[in-house]
Amino acid sequence: DIQMTQSPSSLSASLGERVSLTCRASQEISGYLSWLQQKPDGTIKRLIYAASTLDSGVPKRFSGSRSGSDYSLTISSLESEDFADYYCLQYASYPYMYTFGGGTKLEIK
Amino acid sequence: QVQLQQPGAELVRPGASVKLSCKASGYTFTSYWMNWVKQRPGQGLEWIGMIDPSDSETHYNQMFKDKATLTVDKSSSTAYMQLSSLTSEDSAVYYCARTLSNAMDYWGQGTSVTVSS
Repeated sequence: DIQMTQSPSSLSASLGERVSLTCRASQEISGYLSWLQQKPDGTIKRLIYAASTLDSGVPKRFSGSRSGSDYSLTISSLESEDFADYYCLQYASYPYMYTFGGGTKLEIK
Repeated sequence: QVQLQQPGAELVRPGASVKLSCKASGYTFTSYWMNWVKQRPGQGLEWIGMIDPSDSETHYNQMFKDKATLTVDKSSSTAYMQLSSLTSEDSAVYYCARTLSNAMDYWGQGTSVTVSS
């Protein structure tokens, strides 16, 4: 099975700061990766799919990229509503398996 | 707009079963697979399985194949997941999420299941 190693597991940052989160895939996933945001009330929203395509309505300060087996989510300038948990999700194994990264908790410094 | 409506909470006794619902609206229910995902308190997300509402074909994570059973009711555009022989390990929030082009796009609000006597 494909494993997704997400880092860091937690991150403390300030408003306006630029941050990056990374997921490393244990096998080739060919860009079949999305990024999810989970708010404290449990609401889950997809931000990015196909590694770098922004979902409709998602602010442009969010971006996704790939370098080899490393996939990154970057927030260019943190706003208050961005403090949440973030998960990557690989779907290269569709329809037999989906795998989530372990999550990153983004907190206000 | 796409909506996936889930009840907020269920309290169930150890050893019992529970059937969770996910009512879809705003799109053609039978055109998109539906997933179920588990999140234990303070933990990450785990994929349980998925179902094609058009013909009820299913795919399960092997870890959940003896725990979860996925079904649909096309007449009410509702997906269901039955969890059996519940233990404290099954206390979690369970989400449904639609599949579009192999990726999950829209998510329900989740149902919190508490297993307690």
